[in-house]
Amino acid sequence: DTGVSQDPRHKITKRGQNVTFRCDPISEHNRLYWYRQTLGQGPEFLTYFQNEAQLEKSRLLSDRFSAERPKGSFSTLEIQRTEQGDSAMYLCASSLVASGTSPYEQYFGPGTRLTVT
Amino acid sequence: AQSVTQLGSHVSVSEGALVLLRCNYSSSVPPYLFWYVQYPNQGLQLLLKYTTGATLVKGINGFEAEFKKSETSFHLTKPSAHMSDAAEYFCAVKGREYGNKLVFGAGTILRVKS
Repeated sequence: DTGVSQDPRHKITKRGQNVTFRCDPISEHNRLYWYRQTLGQGPEFLTYFQNEAQLEKSRLLSDRFSAERPKGSFSTLEIQRTEQGDSAMYLCASSLVASGTSPYEQYFGPGTRLTVT
Repeated sequence: AQSVTQLGSHVSVSEGALVLLRCNYSSSVPPYLFWYVQYPNQGLQLLLKYTTGATLVKGINGFEAEFKKSETSFHLTKPSAHMSDAAEYFCAVKGREYGNKLVFGAGTILRVKS
């Protein structure tokens, strides 16, 4: 069990550039979540997928943000035209929703720390 | 409206002393409740959870929490703090009002003094 992995761990970019982050969930997990965590705050929900379907998006997810999970496995989160306010830790989590399993636990990756200069 | 309130953004205890981290939630229906721990530059690790059944829940590393519906609270405790407990702790809720996502409190940084 390799856990949830995220790449890169750190990203520094200039304002106006586009960035893309990747998340690899635990292999059998069918739900994948993205959260954003700013300094001094708890994680805030951005979006989640059930397999390849994006089922919910937060109002925090502006038009500059897009997430995909094309084959129901890994996911990417892209931010276009980055702004300084996008600087945060981006966390990915996954869970298994199936008959006979607890759907409540989300397992988190180490996060990608984005700094926009 | 704040869904999860963690009282005290910083808590300092001496090694060996009781740890008490407070969490209150606002919900018309008792939600599922979680405590996560985050070490510097790492993701979140689940300490314990309450879904149904026994209201006193035991977790990893000697932590436990008690769900009190009448007080809408889910405080985290540990009888004796260890230096390795120094980290940030997040209370979170999940339930019908919130959909399938976790809603987190702002976190409490625990400092353990030797």
